[in-house]
Amino acid sequence: AQSVSQHNHHVILSEAASLELGCNYSYGGTVNLFWYVQYPGQHLQLLLKYFSGDPLVKGIKGFEAEFIKSKFSFNLRKPSVQWSDTAEYFCAVKRSQGNLIFGKGTKLSVKP
Amino acid sequence: DARVTQTPRHKVTEMGQEVTMRCQPILGHNTVFWYRQTMMQGLELLAYFRNRAPLDDSGMPKDRFSAEMPDATLATLKIQPSEPRDSAVYFCASGYRDGNTDTQYFGPGTRLTVL
Repeated sequence: AQSVSQHNHHVILSEAASLELGCNYSYGGTVNLFWYVQYPGQHLQLLLKYFSGDPLVKGIKGFEAEFIKSKFSFNLRKPSVQWSDTAEYFCAVKRSQGNLIFGKGTKLSVKP
Repeated sequence: DARVTQTPRHKVTEMGQEVTMRCQPILGHNTVFWYRQTMMQGLELLAYFRNRAPLDDSGMPKDRFSAEMPDATLATLKIQPSEPRDSAVYFCASGYRDGNTDTQYFGPGTRLTVL
C-alpha cells in the first residue's frame, strides 16, 4: 500500500536550533512532493512543493526540502527555527495517477 | 489574497442529526477536495471533484456521507445520520492544475462534534 512516513512524532527544539524533519515514501515512479504546515488551530498551508528539476526546493519562511530519489525521501529543513515555527508539519506525496497521500504529521515545539 | 472559505467553523450536534458543511473554493480553481482530520487517522481524503464532477469518493462512508458541487462556487459535504465517530475536523481544499498535478489550498476547516 502507498504510504508516507514521518518518523518523528514530536520534535522539541530551542530557538535558533537547526531543524530537519524526515519524510519517506514507499513507492517508485514519478512523484510530486509537498510539505504543509498547520499552526495551532489553523488550516494547512503550503510550505513548498517539488515537481521536477532542482531537487533542493526553497519554500516560504526560510524552509527548504531536498528530494533524494534514491532514498525515497523529502526531508524538510530550516537552519534556525523561531518560536513562531511551532506547528505541525505534514509531508504529502502524489503519484501521477493517484491522490495526495499525507503523512501522520510531526509536531514541532520551539522553546523560546 | 484569495482563500478557501468553509462554513460553519464549528458544529456541535447530536447523534442522528443531519450535518451539512459548505465550502467555497478559490475562484478559478477547478478541483475541490474534502479531507477529514482526526488524531488517530491523521488526514484522510474523503472525496474530490474536478470541474464539478466527482472523481473519487472511495474514502467516504457511502451509507451516510454525500458530497456534491451544485455549482462552481459551492461544494457541500453532508452526513446523515451523524454518529459520534464522525467527530473530526473536516477540511476542504481547492486546487489548480500545475503541470501534471494539483496544488491544493486548504480552508480553515469545520470542527464537528457529534454527541
